[in-house]
Amino acid sequence: DTAVSQTPKYLVTQMGNDKSIKCEQNLGHDTMYWYKQDSKKFLKIMFSYNNKELIINETVPNRFSPKSPDKAHLNLHINSLELGDSAVYFCASSIGGMSNSPLHFGNGTRLTVT
Amino acid sequence: GENVEQHPSTLSVQEGDSAVIKCTYSDSASNYFPWYKQELGKRPQLIIDIRSNVGEKKDQRIAVTLNKTAKHFSLHITETQPEDSAVYFCAAIGGNKLVFGAGTILRVKS
Repeated sequence: DTAVSQTPKYLVTQMGNDKSIKCEQNLGHDTMYWYKQDSKKFLKIMFSYNNKELIINETVPNRFSPKSPDKAHLNLHINSLELGDSAVYFCASSIGGMSNSPLHFGNGTRLTVT
Repeated sequence: GENVEQHPSTLSVQEGDSAVIKCTYSDSASNYFPWYKQELGKRPQLIIDIRSNVGEKKDQRIAVTLNKTAKHFSLHITETQPEDSAVYFCAAIGGNKLVFGAGTILRVKS
């Protein structure tokens, strides 16, 4: 009974392709996030949505476009994939904004761009 | 913006010994400091957190201390066990974002 589920778990693709990662949470949380974890394990926020509204948009290339059809879903679409996009992407959710509640992470999507 | 520094980057201890990981932050307005544990190939999971109105919090073998004046907080793990081996991340709120430290790889040798 996974609280934050993301698919796919692994994604191997070639440079220039477009791909999407899906995320769903069944915790009833208001806020969802996308984090990128690079090869050195550094966790960096990319986007945050609160009740379908974008509230954080870090300095991420325009090739990355999040979409939140409802507060339980936050998908990530990536256009024109580059080698440097290879990383593990984690979806997360929290009951409120980041300032006062823990993050619940999904199991991650390992993206490999060749 | 918030900057979180974490030390050491790797830590090896003998089973049964204590482990201490330290973090400093830059934004004096930060008021929430969680710690996450990430086992190999798995997702980060919250293990303990502390808010700025508290100086120390303990949960079984894990404790966190916070010094707001010096802007640093620490994770203490006592009686370490092999299953404590993982990457540990500290974090602090900067504005409306949670900023993570670079992580500490903890190895517990049996």
